Amino acid sequence: LAKTTQPISMDSYEGQEVNITCSHNNIATNDYITWYQQFPSQGPRFIIQGYKTKVTNEVASLFIPADRKSSTLSLPRVSLSDTAVYYCLVALRGDYKLSFGAGTTVTVRA
Amino acid sequence: EAGVVQSPRYKIIEKKQPVAFWCNPISGHNTLYWYRQNLGQGPELLIRYENEEAVDDSQLPKDRFSAERLKGVDSTLKIQPAELGDSAVYLCASSLGRLEETQYFGPGTRLLVL
Repeated sequence: LAKTTQPISMDSYEGQEVNITCSHNNIATNDYITWYQQFPSQGPRFIIQGYKTKVTNEVASLFIPADRKSSTLSLPRVSLSDTAVYYCLVALRGDYKLSFGAGTTVTVRA
Repeated sequence: EAGVVQSPRYKIIEKKQPVAFWCNPISGHNTLYWYRQNLGQGPELLIRYENEEAVDDSQLPKDRFSAERLKGVDSTLKIQPAELGDSAVYLCASSLGRLEETQYFGPGTRLLVL
């Protein structure tokens, strides 16, 4: 099973861009990477998903390089309300398995 | 549209007692997941259902944990007997079907075993 690793924590300030990288060494060409956000006492909530190059939605961007050994979640111009734990999830279609990272705690300061 | 519903939200029990958690997924979602989340860690998949069938229960401690999803809608996860190490948040999620589909999570049940 591919191991999914991400930094434990990151600090930022309001208005800055936050980039969180997830490492996933052994994923296949069509395995999807999904990012979730979790606030205390709530379940994780979907942010963005992709399997190659770049995906952008109204809240984030996801960059996946050609070697697919990592992916980067980019949060533009963060605010205090973006303080949360962010999880990377890889769907391994060949093994029919899911691999969650341990989460990155992002703290945004004023 | 109603989200994933879980009950109870909190449960405190003595060790060796049984406990059960209930989940009602989003209407029309064929796939249902049960996760355990320990403090400061990511969700750990316990079991995944596609309709009534448990398609992945490889991480479910079968000596004390059991789950069912009768009629392919709501689901119950049971622990009997509970141990101190079972204290965690138990999350239920549902999705439309394929492995990469977006999962919608409930608020979780926080279990404390004393």
